[in-house]
Amino acid sequence: DQQVKQNSPSLSVQEGRISILNCDYTNSMFDYFLWYKKYPAEGPTFLISISSIKDKNEDGRFTVFLNKSAKHLSLHIVPSQPGDSAVYFCAARGSTGGGADGLTFGKGTHLIIQP
Amino acid sequence: DAGVIQSPRHEVTEMGQEVTLRCKPISGHNSLFWYRQTMMRGLELLIYFNNNVPIDDSGMPEDRFSAKMPNASFSTLKIQPSEPRDSAVYFCASSFLRLDTQYFGPGTRLTVL
Repeated sequence: DQQVKQNSPSLSVQEGRISILNCDYTNSMFDYFLWYKKYPAEGPTFLISISSIKDKNEDGRFTVFLNKSAKHLSLHIVPSQPGDSAVYFCAARGSTGGGADGLTFGKGTHLIIQP
Repeated sequence: DAGVIQSPRHEVTEMGQEVTLRCKPISGHNSLFWYRQTMMRGLELLIYFNNNVPIDDSGMPEDRFSAKMPNASFSTLKIQPSEPRDSAVYFCASSFLRLDTQYFGPGTRLTVL
């Protein structure tokens, strides 16, 4: 029973264009969402996050959008660059005031930037 | 600045053997997390510690798995006895405070034959 779903295992985008990665969640107790980027043989590295009280957060070329009513978030990368080729994980966390602070991850989307 | 350090990076062992994975969190971080990544289940939380105390071990798959954090700079994840289905990449992550951003180590790729 996956609580965080990334339905696209892979995505191919041309260099310079916009990359849009999508993520859906089912647990309404999640209130903080993160995107991690992972290169082969390395650990995931934090990219950007968003709290449930916001609907958008921007950091340079990366923007995350949150639609709470649809339980959906997306990561936009503009413009896409070859170094963006990696696996992107969507993750979520609930605010339990002392309970489960670990992250629940989606299975990842492999983004391939074509030259 | 040193990030999260994990050892060994690769481990190949035979079924039934004991396996110990090691993690050194970022200095000053108070929370430590162990995750496992498999093709079938993706990245899943096994256990996490706050100030060296285990807080949630509900993700530990079986009694064969155990984790300790004897001090703020060291943690171990032990599997005894190991089985082929334990083959996975095991990641350790740490954060300054419980709800802060988690920083991951490079992982240990475990293969149980």
